Amino acid sequence: AQKITQTQPGMFVQEKEAVTLDCTYDTSDPSYGLFWYKQPSSGEMIFLIYQGSYDQQNATEGRYSLNFQKARKSANLVISASQLGDSAMYFCAMRDNNAGNMLTFGGGTRLMVKP
Amino acid sequence: EPEVTQTPSHQVTQMGQEVILRCVPISNHLYFYWYRQILGQKVEFLVSFYNNEISEKSEIFDDQFSVERPDGSNFTLKIRSTKLEDSAMYFCASNLRQGPLSGANVLTFGAGSRLTVL
Repeated sequence: AQKITQTQPGMFVQEKEAVTLDCTYDTSDPSYGLFWYKQPSSGEMIFLIYQGSYDQQNATEGRYSLNFQKARKSANLVISASQLGDSAMYFCAMRDNNAGNMLTFGGGTRLMVKP
Repeated sequence: EPEVTQTPSHQVTQMGQEVILRCVPISNHLYFYWYRQILGQKVEFLVSFYNNEISEKSEIFDDQFSVERPDGSNFTLKIRSTKLEDSAMYFCASNLRQGPLSGANVLTFGAGSRLTVL
């Protein structure tokens, strides 16, 4: 069975600083995908970044990067140069071949950016 | 930017009443989903739908739930007889292509419909 764990229920970061949001996962499938979504207070789920299990390089999308450590089964999200608009809930999610296109989500981390 | 549209944004209903939540997926997407998020808890998969059939469903998606795509654009979730524990945010989502979800086959979510059952 899939499992996604986000151990940080809440995080503070100073504006313009970098922050790392942790995500660990567990799957027996060698082929899987990892996703990060942002949920601002308005409620929508916004896709941020994707990492495939066979990807050779860590994914990057603008200020977002993924610190993918396959042996440790971790896929931490790094946000560089935090902005006030980054304050939101952040969810890590996984898909593997055992579960088709069903995403399994972690419990989320609430990030608060301080001015 | 194309988006998934959900209505209503918030619905309050009495226990035992039927509720229909509506979604308009991105127009060229072929695969549709419902997820829910009970307040303060994880986002949970309910059901996936393709070619007018349910592809996968979770244990949560019991006989009181149903989905349909009545007119080629709307995708609806019906809860036949609501319970207090159905209070949650319900998210519709869609993706374009067959094959695994990925950065090139992104699952796009709507803004959600908040259901409150009294």
